[in-house]
Amino acid sequence: GQNIDQPTEMTATEGAIVQINCTYQTSGFNGLFWYQQHAGEAPTFLSYNVLDGLEEKGRFSSFLSRSKGYSYLLLKELQMKDSASYLCAVMDSNYQLIWGAGTKLIIKP
Amino acid sequence: GAVVSQHPSRVICKSGTSVKIECRSLDFQATTMFWYRQFPKQSLMLMATSNEGSKATYEQGVEKDKFLINHASLTLSTLTVTSAHPEDSSFYICSARDGGQDYNEQFFGPGTRLTVL
Repeated sequence: GQNIDQPTEMTATEGAIVQINCTYQTSGFNGLFWYQQHAGEAPTFLSYNVLDGLEEKGRFSSFLSRSKGYSYLLLKELQMKDSASYLCAVMDSNYQLIWGAGTKLIIKP
Repeated sequence: GAVVSQHPSRVICKSGTSVKIECRSLDFQATTMFWYRQFPKQSLMLMATSNEGSKATYEQGVEKDKFLINHASLTLSTLTVTSAHPEDSSFYICSARDGGQDYNEQFFGPGTRLTVL
């Protein structure tokens, strides 16, 4: 079966750095997405990785290793507004998104 | 970026009534639209995938006669929850794929909170 694993919840301090990991097992691979979702709102796109390596976009970076079935989202200089759920999703061979359950990130002052 | 609107944002209805939710891509042509449902503290669950002009493909366990999907144009898809019951109360989110993009990002609507009394 297809499976996406990510931690349920993480806590970090304002101004610090946090890394959210995601491992996956899917039938085929056409890219990995990270989305941010605030409570009661729809997800918003953060990043897309289809090749191995690190993609940097401002305070957020995303890394992919296809051979290991592994990705992480790195958030730097954390702000209180970064408190949200972070969803990892993999596009399989049928171009369908397979979603992880999300990681709830709690930022403390 | 591409914008997807969803209407209504919130609806409360009585058990047994039908509710229609609209999903529109405002500045691009959506060759494919997706309908998701999300229960509290759970991840997104894909309900169905619809391509313009053809019948929707429903995920296992989703009743197609209860959740009617129409994708009549490249900018509009509708989800009708027929004979809604309290267990249908959920957050319904649509997304759309831009057929003109190089990769397959899905753009999400703001969601519709359905409460069935």
